[in-house]
Amino acid sequence: GAGVSQSPSNKVTEKGKDVELRCDPISGHTALYWYRQSLGQGLEFLIYFQGNSAPDKSGLPSDRFSAERTGGSVSTLTIQRTQQEDSAVYLCASSARGSQPQHFGDGTRLSIL
Amino acid sequence: RKEVEQDPGPFNVPEGATVAFNCTYSNSASQSFFWYRQDCRKEPKLLMSVYSSGNEDGRFTAQLNRASQYISLLIRDSKLSDSATYLCVVNLNYGQNFVFGPGTRLSVLP
Repeated sequence: GAGVSQSPSNKVTEKGKDVELRCDPISGHTALYWYRQSLGQGLEFLIYFQGNSAPDKSGLPSDRFSAERTGGSVSTLTIQRTQQEDSAVYLCASSARGSQPQHFGDGTRLSIL
Repeated sequence: RKEVEQDPGPFNVPEGATVAFNCTYSNSASQSFFWYRQDCRKEPKLLMSVYSSGNEDGRFTAQLNRASQYISLLIRDSKLSDSATYLCVVNLNYGQNFVFGPGTRLSVLP
């Protein structure tokens, strides 16, 4: 389809393991965002990529979290040494440019045992 | 003060009712505004953009008051399928760019 694609849909892993989440934005969208949402809570901003500019990493909760965007398209969010509090839905969104509305993927539901 | 604040809700209304949601934002440099809806355990989806002159899309009407830094969403003749959380979103065009409000939950009852 033409929407934002995220994988995996669900990820269950043990505490202390590393995980990698993938986001494939809508083709041609220059802006890409990562959020996370805990059950019953609002969206928590993590990181924002705009074209070739340096990403805004101000929302990353700790240095265990990192993200990259290769070739201005696909992005991966990596969480090292996962903790139980990392359990949440991780949502990716893209927009045509900074001022245009975002379109979200279905999210990755991450569960840390 | 939070950057974007919304009615705390939840709103429980009967089918056919008219319901209005309010949203205020703190940054006067905000550039554009949107309403999203989020169904339980689903991703947010764009409902409508909010234009300075106000705009309508079927049963939904959005208003913007830049002087008061206030946005509203009116839903007329509410349907069961309107039950969701409604998110007010403000675009700053810098930094993290988009700021999401905490959302207002609506339940339309038969």
